[in-house]
Amino acid sequence: QSVLTQPPSVSGAPGQRVTISCTGSSSNIGANYAVHWYQQLPGTAPKLLIFLNNIRPSGVPDRFSGSKSGPSASLAITGLQAEDEADYYCQSYDSSLSGWVFGGGTKLTVL
Amino acid sequence: EVQLVQSGAEVKKPGESLQISCKGSGYSFTKSWIAWVRQKPGKGLEWMGIIYPGDSDTRYCPSFQGQVTISADRSINTAYLQWSSLKASDTAIYYCAREGDDDYVADYWGQGTLVTVSS
Repeated sequence: QSVLTQPPSVSGAPGQRVTISCTGSSSNIGANYAVHWYQQLPGTAPKLLIFLNNIRPSGVPDRFSGSKSGPSASLAITGLQAEDEADYYCQSYDSSLSGWVFGGGTKLTVL
Repeated sequence: EVQLVQSGAEVKKPGESLQISCKGSGYSFTKSWIAWVRQKPGKGLEWMGIIYPGDSDTRYCPSFQGQVTISADRSINTAYLQWSSLKASDTAIYYCAREGDDDYVADYWGQGTLVTVSS
């Protein structure tokens, strides 16, 4: 079981908005460690999508946004496009583990 | 441009040893932590451990402690992940990733190395 909890799958039609949740605990997200999000397209390495809860690296469309509140975080994708179909992972730091922790990943299907 | 280039796919038998590599370029290799992340077929990402090439300070996830060895050779900007005795359950893609300056973020990733362990 992953330390951070994500829904296994979400789906939406092109143009719609979807959100992916990421729930942690008092030793990671709830301890005020930042949440980062990664997009993994089929057959490729993960790519940084959002860092420090809500900052997009250069080149990431503003359709992607992140938020954090207490021990949870969310990734929102607006204006869904077929190319957004991928696995999405949240990640933080855990003070009990003294290392990185990931969510189990969420598969986004664009209908 | 920051790049992490990993060694190629490997096919091994149970009990064999293996070392895979991750070469960094485009940044000061000794000043950023390098992590290893496992992804089993069809599964999620698992943090295995991390090394600071500047002084070889290494931390392991408890699940992987004693199962693998992480090392680095700063003279050639390369980090390594090593097994002394592979098991079939080690079959996975292994990624290296650089830890950036912002709160434990993995800002750059290698392309991954597929390790297949089968008799």
